[in-house]
Amino acid sequence: DVKVTQSSRYLVKRTGEKVFLECVQDMDHENMFWYRQDPGLGLRLIYFSYDVKMKEKGDIPEGYSVSREKKERFSLILESASTNQTSMYLCASSSHYQTGEGTGAFFGQGTRLTVV
Amino acid sequence: QKEVEQDPGPLSVPEGAIVSLNCTYSNSAFQYFMWYRQYSRKGPELLMYTYSSGNKEDGRFTAQVDKSSKYISLFIRDSQPSDSATYLCAMSATGGSYIPTFGRGTSLIVHP
Repeated sequence: DVKVTQSSRYLVKRTGEKVFLECVQDMDHENMFWYRQDPGLGLRLIYFSYDVKMKEKGDIPEGYSVSREKKERFSLILESASTNQTSMYLCASSSHYQTGEGTGAFFGQGTRLTVV
Repeated sequence: QKEVEQDPGPLSVPEGAIVSLNCTYSNSAFQYFMWYRQYSRKGPELLMYTYSSGNKEDGRFTAQVDKSSKYISLFIRDSQPSDSATYLCAMSATGGSYIPTFGRGTSLIVHP
């Protein structure tokens, strides 16, 4: 089974702190994604990466950065956390080769971040 | 207009009912169609996928794709309270990085 693991289920941080969210996948997937999910807004793509050291902005990259130094690991960084970044953060991975059982993106369990 | 439209619900049905969940889309390049189930406070889990048009069945679940109408459906037969969750549709085009585009999700409540 594909496994995508996020480092924390729940986090509480103070405004202005630098926050690191870590994600690791064990399926040798090329693509990795960070989303945030808010009630009524659905999943919004923050950043994605299609290869090591490669990154592309998604729909809402402002206030975030990412790092992908190894294929299996994709980190999301909140440079200076703000209360409007309180949200559920979801990491996902997928293969370049969408065939058969490899089709689709596979998600981690999510990190519920609260910024106070 | 969003690329993928999905009625947020909630959809409330009695146990044993047949449930129909739907999405419409505008991008004719979409070839891969997926349904995810998300329980409260958990990450989405991939439920079913379909390539191009047609039907796919897995137990109580059937996924249908009608590319001519740009319309996809997920049917749940003999619905159970454990099916209560948010269902998200997703789709992607061939080539590139297969970045999925998600609907906003439909909340389903199956009451005993």
